[in-house]
Amino acid sequence: EIVLTQTPHSLSVTPGQPASISCKTSQSLVFPADGQTYLYWYLQKPGQPPKLLLYEAFHRFSGVPDRFSGSGSGTAFTLKISRVEAEDVGIYFCMQSLQLPLTFGGGTKVEI
Amino acid sequence: EVQLVQSGGGLVQPGGSLRLSCATSGFIFSNSDMGWVRQAPGKGLEWLSSLSVSDDSTLYADSVKGRFTISGDNSKNTLYLHISGLRPEDTAVYFCTKLGCGGANCHYYFDVWGQGTLVTVSS
Repeated sequence: EIVLTQTPHSLSVTPGQPASISCKTSQSLVFPADGQTYLYWYLQKPGQPPKLLLYEAFHRFSGVPDRFSGSGSGTAFTLKISRVEAEDVGIYFCMQSLQLPLTFGGGTKVEI
Repeated sequence: EVQLVQSGGGLVQPGGSLRLSCATSGFIFSNSDMGWVRQAPGKGLEWLSSLSVSDDSTLYADSVKGRFTISGDNSKNTLYLHISGLRPEDTAVYFCTKLGCGGANCHYYFDVWGQGTLVTVSS
């Protein structure tokens, strides 16, 4: 199975400052047949289920603020928050859907 | 608005069985793809199973194959997860999810999640 490794494990941020989270995968997430990258980012706020932020590495899901952006390719990906807001606290997970089983990174806890 | 409302969790003894339910609304359940994900206390997320409601095709993680059964009832727009042979390590919050489909080969992802239901396996 594809292993996803997130760093850092936790992150303390100051409102208004940028933040970034890394997700590295044990194999490339590019599907050769279509050239798409099947990497997703989720945010789980305290006491809530996860919510989809970004799909296919860098596309923002409906309603996601543009301060969230994704970058990377192959096996190394980054989620960036341009200016952190208090509502951004929670645990961020990356996930791959290139192949079964669908697997998640261990999570990065973001605190203010 | 898409909504997934879960029920059916609780305390179960080792070896017992349980059925989790996920009542859906706001989309055409019979044409959808649905799944289950769990999160053990203080741990990460684990995909368990997926169902293509239109053709009843199912997928399972190796860790639950043979013990977990996913199913759907189109008349009730409801997704189920039947769990048998419960073990203490099955203790987790179980999430019902609606699946999105990426690319021509349909790479699943989780686009909407239920609120989660806690299953505790203990004697």
